[in-house]
Formats: sequence, C-alpha cells, structure tokens
Amino acid sequence: KQEVTQIPAALSVPEGENLVLNCSFTDSAIYNLQWFRQDPGKGLTSLLLIQSSQREQTSGRLNASLDKSSGRSTLYIAASQPGDSATYLCAVRLYGQNFVFGPGTRLSVLP
Amino acid sequence: EAQVTQNPRYLITVTGKKLTVTCSQNMNHEYMSWYRQDPGLGLRQIYYSMNVEVTDKGDVPEGYKVSRKEKRNFPLILESPSPNQTSLYFCASSFGLAAGANVLTFGAGSRLTVL
Repeated sequence: KQEVTQIPAALSVPEGENLVLNCSFTDSAIYNLQWFRQDPGKGLTSLLLIQSSQREQTSGRLNASLDKSSGRSTLYIAASQPGDSATYLCAVRLYGQNFVFGPGTRLSVLP
Repeated sequence: EAQVTQNPRYLITVTGKKLTVTCSQNMNHEYMSWYRQDPGLGLRQIYYSMNVEVTDKGDVPEGYKVSRKEKRNFPLILESPSPNQTSLYFCASSFGLAAGANVLTFGAGSRLTVL
C-alpha cells in the first residue's frame, strides 16, 4: 500500500530564507505528484503538479522536483515571506486513479 | 468560474438526525472524492468515485454513504450522525488519467458539528 510521509512536520524560519520541504512515497509507480497549500480552516489550493515523466516544475518562487526512483519530491520556496505561512501537503496519484496524501508540513515564516 | 461547491459550509446538528452534504463540480470531472480533516490526523479519505455509478471506500468509510448518479454531483450522506463525525469535510474532483491535466481541485470545506 502506498504511503506518503512529509518531513519536517513543522518548520519556523525568518523572512527571506530559502527553504525546502520534503515528501517521500513508498511505491514509485505513481502517475503524478501534486503540492498543495492549506491555510487554517480553509480548502486546499493546488500549487504545482509534476507528471511522472517530469523532473521539476516551477511557479514563481516555488520549484518542485520529483525523483521517482528514490520515491522523493521536494518543494523549494525561495525568499520566503510571512504570507507563505500555511500547511503544505503533497499527494501522489496512483495508476488506479486514486490519490494518497501526506500529513503535511506546517510552515511559519516570521517577519 | 470552474469550481467545486459544497453545501452547507457550516452545520450544527444532533446525534441521529440524518444529513446530506452536497458537492457539485462544473468541470466535467470524472473523479470525485470526500475527505475529512481532524487536528493531528491529517486528511483522511472517506469515499471516492471514478465515474458515474462507480464508488469505492476510502480509509474511513464507516458511518457514511455516497452516491454518484450524475457526473457533477457526489453527495455525502450521514444516516445517523454521531459526535465522532464532528469534523471539517472536503470534497474534491479531477479529470481521470486519460486527460492530460488532472489537477485535484478542492471545495471550500464543510464544518460539521454533531452534538
């Protein structure tokens, strides 16, 4: 059964730092991987989607990479801002169509 | 606007009173899913559907029912709600694997309290 983990569970950094969030999955047979952002009590917003054939995707200050063979993805946030404070979740999509989510990383960016 | 719409957004009810949380999407998505989110437990899948009349259990289906009679709607039914079903519920939808772009899109959430 596919399992998705995220490290660290929580992270607090000063404004302006570059940071990396990690996502690991146990079965490399995935269709794609998606990163989401969730503000407290709110719905999840898709940030980046990486197809299994891709190595990375970029959107603004965000860059996500995928290494299927090692079962890992990283989300890189450049020049972090207080507005980046949120919980970040990764999810893999299986070939059976369903999604499996990680537990999330709670990020606090301090002014 | 392309979106997933959940109703009600907030509900307080009592034990045993049947309720339905509706979910509708206007993107012609094949895949739809329900999740619940509780502090410290993350996002847990209740049921999902890969197309009309096709539904499957997720990780925590007990106490819930779903139906997928139309492509756009995927209601979540609590036949006899109990306090342990107090939670924040999310509906989500996506195209199937045959489509190139299959971003999973979430609704805004429904906060349910069962007294």
